[in-house]
Parts: sequence; structure tokens; C-alpha cells
Amino acid sequence: DAGVIQSPRHEVTEMGQEVTLRCKPISGHDYLFWYRQTMMRGLELLIYFNNNVPIDDSGMPEDRFSAKMPNASFSTLKIQPSEPRDSAVYFCASTQTGGRTTEAFFGQGTRLTVV
Amino acid sequence: SQQGEEDPQALSIQEGENATMNCSYKTSINNLQWYRQNSGRGLVHLILIRSNEREKHSGRLRVTLDTSKKSSSLLITASRAADTASYFCATEDSWGKLQFGAGTQVVVTP
Repeated sequence: DAGVIQSPRHEVTEMGQEVTLRCKPISGHDYLFWYRQTMMRGLELLIYFNNNVPIDDSGMPEDRFSAKMPNASFSTLKIQPSEPRDSAVYFCASTQTGGRTTEAFFGQGTRLTVV
Repeated sequence: SQQGEEDPQALSIQEGENATMNCSYKTSINNLQWYRQNSGRGLVHLILIRSNEREKHSGRLRVTLDTSKKSSSLLITASRAADTASYFCATEDSWGKLQFGAGTQVVVTP
């Protein structure tokens, strides 16, 4: 397996524009997590899914953020409209059986810059 | 919000020395995990300790867990320059929620 795949790796956009980040989890994994990492706030859990169903989105900062998982092999995180304070590295991770016996595998992240 | 707090925030040691970092958390957990992150990369899993375990070893890594104090420690023995990275603890609850601490930045100088 190629691991967790995120796209794009880098995104530069202007304030007010819509941004869509994509994630392909490892095949067979039933949990998918979206995290945001900044120097100030560290690694924040935004939302996670189990079997494509959102379980906890309490970490989503505002209504401008939304996430979907239409099937087991694809998830998106959308920011609309984007703001400069959304600039961060966004990571997607997947696990199997909720991590009770295995670890979370992370993608390489998407570095988002909103100007 | 983050589940864990890590201590120290930064650690600078010389090759061959041991590195110890601590993690405290707030709620009940199924397991606690430690991850490593090299600059600009994703996190990589190091070791997992279940809530009913007290100590675990993997190579040069030793992890302890004290559920009564809601704390864990990671010890890296005989450190190498290649161990330079940020280290994060993560807790998983019974719902599968995986949350990370703020991390400890470790620099190992040759």
C-alpha cells in the first residue's frame, strides 16, 4: 500500500477563496482523522470518521470548515471562505480497529498558506 | 483542545545520553501512544501502551504508564543524532478518538 495520500502537498490561496484538501486513507482502515498543526496551537484534532461516518467534529473551528467522507477510500476537508489564520499544515491519518492494536498512519500533510 | 501536556517543551542532549520526556493527560484512555515527527514530515508511530500495562520496551525506547496519575514517560536510551525530532504522546479513548499533546522537541548533538 502507498500509505495515506494527501493532495495537494502545498496550497497558496487568497483570502476568501474556497480550499479543498483531499485524503486517501490506507485500504481497509476504518478510522480517518483530520488534524491541523501550527506552532501556536500544536496538533489539533479537527474531526474523525469511523466507517465513513463523522463521529466527533467538535474540533472544527468554525462553520467555514466542513469535512466529508463519501466512501471508504476518500475524504475531503473544505474551507470556505478561507482566512489568513487558517494557514497551517493539515494532516490526515487513518487507523484500523480504532488503534487498539495498531498505530495511526499519517499522510505527508498539506501546507496551506492563505494570503 | 488537546488532551495531553508534554514536558519538557524542548530538550538538548549529546549523543550517547538518555532522553526522557513526560506526558500528562486528562481523561480515561484505552491506550497511549508515542509518535515522532521529523521537520516538515508526517508523524510516525513509535510505540503503544495499553491502559492495563505499566511498562513497555521497544529497542532503545522505554515507555511507562501510570493511569492513577494520568501520566506517561518516554525514555530514549543511548541517543543518536538521528533521534533529533519532535516527539508526541497521543491518547485514544474508548470511542477511538486519538488526540495529541504539544510535543517535545529533542536535539541530539554529535
